[in-house]
Amino acid sequence: EAQVTQNPRYLITVTGKKLTVTCSQNMNHEYMSWYRQDPGLGLRQIYYSMNVEVTDKGDVPEGYKVSRKEKRNFPLILESPSPNQTSLYFCASSTGLARHNEQFFGPGTRLTVL
Amino acid sequence: KQEVTQIPAALSVPEGENLVLNCSFTDSAIYNLQWFRQDPGKGLTSLLLIQSSQREQTSGRLNASLDKSSGRSTLYIAASQPGDSATYLCAVKHNSGYALNFGKGTSLLVTP
Repeated sequence: EAQVTQNPRYLITVTGKKLTVTCSQNMNHEYMSWYRQDPGLGLRQIYYSMNVEVTDKGDVPEGYKVSRKEKRNFPLILESPSPNQTSLYFCASSTGLARHNEQFFGPGTRLTVL
Repeated sequence: KQEVTQIPAALSVPEGENLVLNCSFTDSAIYNLQWFRQDPGKGLTSLLLIQSSQREQTSGRLNASLDKSSGRSTLYIAASQPGDSATYLCAVKHNSGYALNFGKGTSLLVTP
C-alpha cells in the first residue's frame, strides 16, 4: 500500500532532550516536507526537500533540523525541544511539484514537550 | 503572503443534505488547489486536486470548483452521510514557493 509513515505517533518528552521523528514513504517520491499544526494557526511548513541531499527552510524552521540521505526517508530532528514545539506534526510527500502532483500526508505525530 | 480563508468554521447538517464548503484565497497566482479531509487523531487524506488551468474536479459525491480570478473554490458534497463528518481543509500552492498554504478548515458534522 502506498503510504507515508511516521514514528512515533505520540511522544511526551522534556525540555532539552534531543528527539527525532522519522518519516518514510514508499512511493519513490522526490519531494518531501514537514508541517506543524497548531490550533488557530493551521498547518505551517517547517522544512522541505526537493531530493536527496537537497533541503531548505519553510515558514517556521527555527528549532528544527532535517536530513535527506535516502530518497524514502526524511527525519525531523529537534536538538533541544522547548514547550513551544508542542504540536501535531505531519510529513508529506509528492512525486514533484508539477501542477498535477498531489501531496500525500502521513498520520501525524503528536508531540508534547514539558 | 497568501491568505487562505475557509467559511464556515463549523457546520452541522442532517444526513442526506447537499452542502457547500467555501475556500477563498488572496493571491490568484496559484499553481493548484487541494482539498483534504482530516479525521480526529488521523492524518490528512487528499480528496481532490484542481490544477490552476482547471475549473472543477469530481470524485464520487464530491465536486470541487475553482474560480482563480475571484480567488474562490468550493467543495460540494452531495447526499451527505454521517461518515462525512470530519474537518475539511483547503490548501493552495502558489506559483512561487514550495509550501502549501492551508486554510484553518471547516469542521463538518452530519447527524443521522
